[in-house]
Amino acid sequence: DAGITQSPRYKITETGRQVTLMCHQTWSHSYMFWYRQDLGHGLRLIYYSAAADITDKGEVPDGYVVSRSKTENFPLTLESATRSQTSVYFCASTGGLGYEQYFGPGTRLTVT
Amino acid sequence: QKEVEQNSGPLSVPEGAIASLNCTYSDRGSQSFFWYRQYSGKSPELIMSIYSNGDKEDGRFTAQLNKASQYVSLLIRDSQPSDSATYLCAVNRDYGGSQGNLIFGKGTKLSVKP
Repeated sequence: DAGITQSPRYKITETGRQVTLMCHQTWSHSYMFWYRQDLGHGLRLIYYSAAADITDKGEVPDGYVVSRSKTENFPLTLESATRSQTSVYFCASTGGLGYEQYFGPGTRLTVT
Repeated sequence: QKEVEQNSGPLSVPEGAIASLNCTYSDRGSQSFFWYRQYSGKSPELIMSIYSNGDKEDGRFTAQLNKASQYVSLLIRDSQPSDSATYLCAVNRDYGGSQGNLIFGKGTKLSVKP
């Protein structure tokens, strides 16, 4: 049971490049989330999705784009990466009535 | 602004002691409360969930909820060095279609000394 996976685990890119972070879950959870975690800020919600083809902005959506054509996948794209987007990115999902969220292993992104 | 507040720590306790972690939240309509443990360099791991006032015990962990005071706590009995981590409190948002969203505190760093 793979659960929730993210790829790549580590990524170094240059300012201005487009980067896509992948998230895949095997539980058929309806809700999926993207967070970034930075020192001093904790976990901040970037985008979330309630179901396939339904997405909505979170707290810090600027500079990011998401899509969800299939329930199990929720990619996050940085259209033109900036140094301020250097962070650790976590994908999470939930399907239970109690809203427990389960996190992927994270992607450490460095923008140079 | 909906907020979840935690003491950032570090909280240092000796091995075998009880560690007490606290969290307050501002959204009175919240119904679901969670504690996550995050080791350095790892992702958050769900360790406790609580939905009703009172205590909920799971092994060495006890979550306590007081909705009137908007307060959630986590007690770790017989603390072990392996419990050294950052503990995140999370509370569900209660508006519109966002009930699946959680608000996270910034976490309390716990250090258990052998």
